[in-house]
Amino acid sequence: NAGVTQTPKFRILKIGQSMTLQCTQDMNHNYMYWYRQDPGMGLKLIYYSVGAGITDKGEVPNGYNVSRSTTEDFPLRLELAAPSQTSVYFCASSYTLGQDNYNEQFFGPGTRLTVL
Amino acid sequence: AQSVAQPEDQVNVAEGNPLTVKCTYSVSGNPYLFWYVQYPNRGLQFLLKYITGDNLVKGSYGFEAEFNKSQTSFHLKKPSALVSDSALYFCAVRAYSSASKIIFGSGTRLSIRP
Repeated sequence: NAGVTQTPKFRILKIGQSMTLQCTQDMNHNYMYWYRQDPGMGLKLIYYSVGAGITDKGEVPNGYNVSRSTTEDFPLRLELAAPSQTSVYFCASSYTLGQDNYNEQFFGPGTRLTVL
Repeated sequence: AQSVAQPEDQVNVAEGNPLTVKCTYSVSGNPYLFWYVQYPNRGLQFLLKYITGDNLVKGSYGFEAEFNKSQTSFHLKKPSALVSDSALYFCAVRAYSSASKIIFGSGTRLSIRP
């Protein structure tokens, strides 16, 4: 199992450019998450998905969009990049069955994004 | 509202000494509590979790954590620190009623000196 994979590892964008951060998991997990990690700030949830075709906003969704057409893939789209989106982005997945299930999340290696 | 606090930005310990990384939480109802570790330029890795039952939870790499309901704490401990334990540690909490909303603390950098 490759686990959770993310591409690219690094990217520099100019203000106003767009890009998609790719995330794929091969563990057949139903839940997938996107987080951003700013220095000294911990992780903030951007969007999450409870299964193919279902997504919902997290704590900091503005400026981002997601889709979940398959169980495996959960891309994150930045439409108009802004310097405030400079961060490290992590994708994660877990197998969760609602309230009674409490499995841990598996994280990808991250994408370091700089917007200039 | 859910929240989790890690009051120390950095903890410094000599190799071989015991270590504690603190975490307190606030959540409605029963909490699910997690500890993750992050090594440089890597994603987070799961260490251990508390769901129910015994208040002392054992996890990977010799780490353990103690759930204290009255103090709403879930401190991470290890009896004898190793230099290789140096990393960034995150506490996370999830309310029983919210499968999706997991809140992470701001992280504590653990530095073990030889």
